[in-house]
Amino acid sequence: DVKVTQSSRYLVKRTGEKVFLECVQDMDHENMFWYRQDPGLGLRLIYFSYDVKMKEKGDIPEGYSVSREKKERFSLILESASTNQTSMYLCASIQQGRRGETQYFGPGTRLLVL
Amino acid sequence: AQTVTQSQPEMSVQEAETVTLSCTYDTSESDYYLFWYKQPPSRQMILVIRQEAYKQQNATENRFSVNFQKAAKSFSLKISDSQLGDAAMYFCAYRSALRGATNKLIFGTGTLLAVQP
Repeated sequence: DVKVTQSSRYLVKRTGEKVFLECVQDMDHENMFWYRQDPGLGLRLIYFSYDVKMKEKGDIPEGYSVSREKKERFSLILESASTNQTSMYLCASIQQGRRGETQYFGPGTRLLVL
Repeated sequence: AQTVTQSQPEMSVQEAETVTLSCTYDTSESDYYLFWYKQPPSRQMILVIRQEAYKQQNATENRFSVNFQKAAKSFSLKISDSQLGDAAMYFCAYRSALRGATNKLIFGTGTLLAVQP
């Protein structure tokens, strides 16, 4: 079974703090994604990565950056957390190139910025 | 740009009854996938069912089936014999299957399904 894990289920941070959200997958997937989930808005793509050291902006990248130093790990970074970044963050991964393959999601990290 | 619309923020069904969740999408692409994902209260998002646009036959997975109307750009999910464990947020999602496209998913806003005992 594919396993996507996220470092924390719940986080509470203060405005201005630097926040790291970690995601690890154990299936050697090339593609990894960070989504943000908000009520009434569904999931929106923040950043994604095709492979190690490669990253692409999604639909809402402002205020975020990412790091992919190893294939299995994809980190989302909030350089200076703000209250409007309070949200649920979901990581996902998928095998590149296989027709019909689906994304596998982590359990999510609920971030509260005070 | 592709969009996905779920017009029912909340739905309710009696246990053992059938419920249909609606989803419409907009795209100019000819090759794509459509998905229904389920997110129970524990928050782990899991795939319910998948449909490839070039396949005319509607996908089915046990009690879950879809009604895929490509011309109308409609992709509804039918849950038969509803169970208490079906209570969750359901998301409809789109992904391009064109060569060179990213694997990113475009999600609808979700439908919260309650199952009444």
